[in-house]
Amino acid sequence: SAVISQKPSRDICQRGTSLTIQCQVDSQVTMMFWYRQQPGQSLTLIATANQGSEATYESGFVIDKFPISRPNLTFSTLTVSNMSPEDSSIYLCSATHRGETQYFGPGTRLLVL
Amino acid sequence: SQQGEEDPQALSIQEGENATMNCSYKTSINNLQWYRQNSGRGLVHLILIRSNEREKHSGRLRVTLDTSKKSSSLLITASRAADTASYFCATDAGGGYQKVTFGIGTKLQVIP
Repeated sequence: SAVISQKPSRDICQRGTSLTIQCQVDSQVTMMFWYRQQPGQSLTLIATANQGSEATYESGFVIDKFPISRPNLTFSTLTVSNMSPEDSSIYLCSATHRGETQYFGPGTRLLVL
Repeated sequence: SQQGEEDPQALSIQEGENATMNCSYKTSINNLQWYRQNSGRGLVHLILIRSNEREKHSGRLRVTLDTSKKSSSLLITASRAADTASYFCATDAGGGYQKVTFGIGTKLQVIP
């Protein structure tokens, strides 16, 4: 199994600012993903973080708003840019190795005022 | 759009009773996974069942998969108050992308 950590665990931000969330996996994985969970909702995939290349974004999510980096197999960052209160959510990182179990980090709770 | 839909969306039972949650999905899948989430925290992986499997057990959990009906069920036997959480199914449609799509979830409340 993979153990995933995220930093920060929570933050309160002012509108118009940006926040970068870090995700670290304790073992090499093939795929890493970023999800958003709005209050009381299920999880929605933002993008697949590709190692050494641009992330693959799902419909409704764009690179300018959610730039993602993955410089190596075990680390990725998600930036939430130019935040508004609608961005208040839990952001979760996940990882899988060869298409098997997908493991999730503890999430980052973001509140935008 | 969401691949899976859980049913019921909310379930309240007494401690010791069994809880059954269902998940339906729309397209062919490679595997289906069930997760638990306690009050807005991270997701805990419960069980993965592959498309060629029909049933899996893990402790008090039993998962079934019916690919002809595109549905799965999660049974928690002898429920405990600590089982109170939201439960989600997530499907991997294959194709090498290895990404999963989540259902809307079932909120389970186990009353002591």
